[in-house]
Amino acid sequence: QVTLRESGPALVKPTETLTLTCNFSGFSLITRGMCVAWVRQPPGKALEWLALIDWDDDKYFNAFLKPRLTVSRDTSRNLVVLTMTNMDPVDTATYYCARVQSGFGGYYFDYWGHGTLVSVSS
Amino acid sequence: QSVLTQPPSVSGTPGQRVIISCSGASSNIGSNAVTWYQQLPGTAPRLLIYTNNQRPSGVPDRFSGSKSGTSASLTISGLRSEDEADYYCGTWDDNLNGRWVFGGGTKLTVL
Repeated sequence: QVTLRESGPALVKPTETLTLTCNFSGFSLITRGMCVAWVRQPPGKALEWLALIDWDDDKYFNAFLKPRLTVSRDTSRNLVVLTMTNMDPVDTATYYCARVQSGFGGYYFDYWGHGTLVSVSS
Repeated sequence: QSVLTQPPSVSGTPGQRVIISCSGASSNIGSNAVTWYQQLPGTAPRLLIYTNNQRPSGVPDRFSGSKSGTSASLTISGLRSEDEADYYCGTWDDNLNGRWVFGGGTKLTVL
């Protein structure tokens, strides 16, 4: 059974760095074709992809947010960490992690965490 | 402004068929497989369609996907009240060293 769970602070102050952890189970991130992605959704708005890390430890980022993002993995503990620097109130959103499968059929986000709401306010 | 363009809203009555479009470019839909997600109010997105027209197990066959050129569409047949949700298309984009892109989302209202 595949599960993912996001954890991190519910509230951060402007200019601070956000650190979110995605704990997952039911798959291994070193299996070829497996990836974990981060997606966020501001209240009432659309989904926005942030970053993806794959089985080969290759990383892809939203080009506009790349200067502020890092993503890393700990395959022994089955977790992926996203950090976003210089947080701003416009970064207030629900942050999701998702398992992504990739292969000849393309990429697809087949399992999602419940999401964690992060508010940015002083 | 999303890279993939979806209508902000569509509506239909129970039993009807509705189609949600997703328009892109050669760097995304034109050269990569399309996925669709359903997001019920207050919940995480759920994969509905992958590889343009494949349904994961558990997704009713009322949901179908297609792709032609740089556009894709999601068709919902036999509309039901529980289909009222937001729907998003998504695909890989080969620009900017590779990135994932979502559409702006379509709100489906069942009248």
